[in-house]
Amino acid sequence: KQEVTQIPAALSVPEGENLVLNCSFTDSAIYNLQWFRQDPGKGLTSLLLIQSSQREQTSGRLNASLDKSSGRSTLYIAASQPGDSATYLCAVKGGSEKLVFGKGTKLTVNP
Amino acid sequence: DTAVSQTPKYLVTQMGNDKSIKCEQNLGHDTMYWYKQDSKKFLKIMFSYNNKELIINETVPNRFSPKSPDKAHLNLHINSLELGDSAVYFCASSPGSGGSYEQYFGPGTRLTVT
Repeated sequence: KQEVTQIPAALSVPEGENLVLNCSFTDSAIYNLQWFRQDPGKGLTSLLLIQSSQREQTSGRLNASLDKSSGRSTLYIAASQPGDSATYLCAVKGGSEKLVFGKGTKLTVNP
Repeated sequence: DTAVSQTPKYLVTQMGNDKSIKCEQNLGHDTMYWYKQDSKKFLKIMFSYNNKELIINETVPNRFSPKSPDKAHLNLHINSLELGDSAVYFCASSPGSGGSYEQYFGPGTRLTVT
């Protein structure tokens, strides 16, 4: 059974800092890994999708990497801004074709 | 021009009642999903439909019944509501059910059972 773990559960940083969010999964037989952002009381916004054959994806200040063999992914946020404050969720899609989510990392970027 | 929409956004009801949540996507996708986010913010899949056919049915009480009248709509009907059903329910869609597709989520429906 696939399990997804995100560390840390919460992170508080000053504005401008570069930061890394971690995601690990127990079953490396995945199709893809997706990073989402969730703002309080809102839905999920897809940030990056990495296919199992890819090593990384970039979008603006965000860079996500995937090491399938070790069951790890990182989300790197450069030059963080207060508007980046949200909960970041990692989800993997495996053979059962369902997304399995981690519990998220709550990020606070202080001005 | 919302991609995945849900109604209602908020739903407050009493135990024992029956309620429905509606979801519509205008992306032309073939696959739709229902997820539940509990009080601890943990998101878990409930159901998935591909082109109106059920393809994923997680261990969900049979009080929950999804219905897909066409591939753009997936509704969730809940009978005999219980306190533990209080959660945020998210609808999502993807172009297909294959492994490589990205999922797009709706804004969620916050259900409170009193």
